[in-house]
Amino acid sequence: EAQVTQNPRYLITVTGKKLTVTCSQNMNHEYMSWYRQDPGLGLRQIYYSMNVEATDKGDVPEGYKVSRKEKRNFPLILESPSPNQTSLYFCASSLAGEDEAFFGQGTRLTVV
Amino acid sequence: GDSVTQMEGPVTLSEEAFLTINCTYTATGYPSLFWYVQYPGEGLQLLLKATKADDKGSNKGFEATYRKETTSFHLEKGSVQVSDSAVYFCALSNTGTASKLTFGTGTRLQVTL
Repeated sequence: EAQVTQNPRYLITVTGKKLTVTCSQNMNHEYMSWYRQDPGLGLRQIYYSMNVEATDKGDVPEGYKVSRKEKRNFPLILESPSPNQTSLYFCASSLAGEDEAFFGQGTRLTVV
Repeated sequence: GDSVTQMEGPVTLSEEAFLTINCTYTATGYPSLFWYVQYPGEGLQLLLKATKADDKGSNKGFEATYRKETTSFHLEKGSVQVSDSAVYFCALSNTGTASKLTFGTGTRLQVTL
């Protein structure tokens, strides 16, 4: 089944404790992105990648890192999480040249 | 920069009522426009899209027409069902791809019997 898989689905952590949210897609898509969803703000793009070893900042990159060492994986790294990073995070992927994005089920992160 | 403005929710309707969710946008050039739907506990999925002026996107009884003169892309459905209860997001892409989507704030729809 074609899908974007995020892990974990739910995470509660403490301020300053490094964490990684994984994202994997099995559709051989070139493009991958991370978004965060907050009430009243919709989805905002954090980082995106157009291919292996090619990443770029989105609209709200502060406090996040990403890497794209393999085409299928695009992990989101929070080196020192803070409470303002409490949010619902979505990974998305798409084919180069296509305009439909496929989303994972989301990761609900709480930083206390 | 690009932006999308959606009507505030939540919208509560009885089953079989007519639905309109307003969406307007600001963008340079000729963006593609989308409606995504998010069912409870799930990720977003594409509902419909339109890539040029006067195009009408349609799917599952939902429709939206790309109106360049009013920079709008309002979502409509003639008769909603309880199963349509979800959050609806209007979005645009100015890159011709899905590498960067600009989303509205989302509108929650609740349909009751």
